[in-house]
Amino acid sequence: AQSVTQLDSQVPVFEEAPVELRCNYSSSVSVYLFWYVQYPNQGLQLLLKYLSGSTLVKGINGFEAEFNKSQTSFHLRKPSVHISDTAEYFCAVTKIQGAQKLVFGQGTRLTINP
Amino acid sequence: DAGVIQSPRHEVTEMGQEVTLRCKPISGHDYLFWYRQTMMRGLELLIYFNNNVPIDDSGMPEDRFSAKMPNASFSTLKIQPSEPRDSAVYFCASSFRDREGDTQYFGPGTRLTVL
Repeated sequence: AQSVTQLDSQVPVFEEAPVELRCNYSSSVSVYLFWYVQYPNQGLQLLLKYLSGSTLVKGINGFEAEFNKSQTSFHLRKPSVHISDTAEYFCAVTKIQGAQKLVFGQGTRLTINP
Repeated sequence: DAGVIQSPRHEVTEMGQEVTLRCKPISGHDYLFWYRQTMMRGLELLIYFNNNVPIDDSGMPEDRFSAKMPNASFSTLKIQPSEPRDSAVYFCASSFRDREGDTQYFGPGTRLTVL
């Protein structure tokens, strides 16, 4: 079975500061990795995904994530955040072979302070 | 594309009443998922379908919950009878298994309040 751990439940940062949201996963098989964002009172929106190839993945809104197989991590980063980035961020994995089930982490609430 | 459509967006009901949540997946998608989100338990997968067939309903909390997908463009999640602890946001998502991976597209959710 797969599991996802988001190491920080809340991350407060100042506007224009860099941010890193941490995600570690556990799986005995190869997986695809995802970051979703949920703005207040909205559904989840795909931010970026890692399927294969380059371990540095760029997504929407200036976010990027790096897949590290040896550390089983997929941390999300942004060099300079904006107030509009205030949201909850979810890391998720799914097996490459077999069932399509996404396994989500508990989420990290990113709060941007002016 | 209109994306995943859910209705109603908000539902307030009294304990014991039947509640039906509706979902229209993205056209062409062959997987449909129902999730529940609460502060205490986060995002939970309730059930998912492939080509209208239920594949895994192990997340359905109890017999009061049932889900159907009569055709490729419509699914329902029913709670009968509803209880206050069912209060949550229910999301529907759909995906298409292809070389782009298993990206799921989420609807806006239905916020259910059971009084």
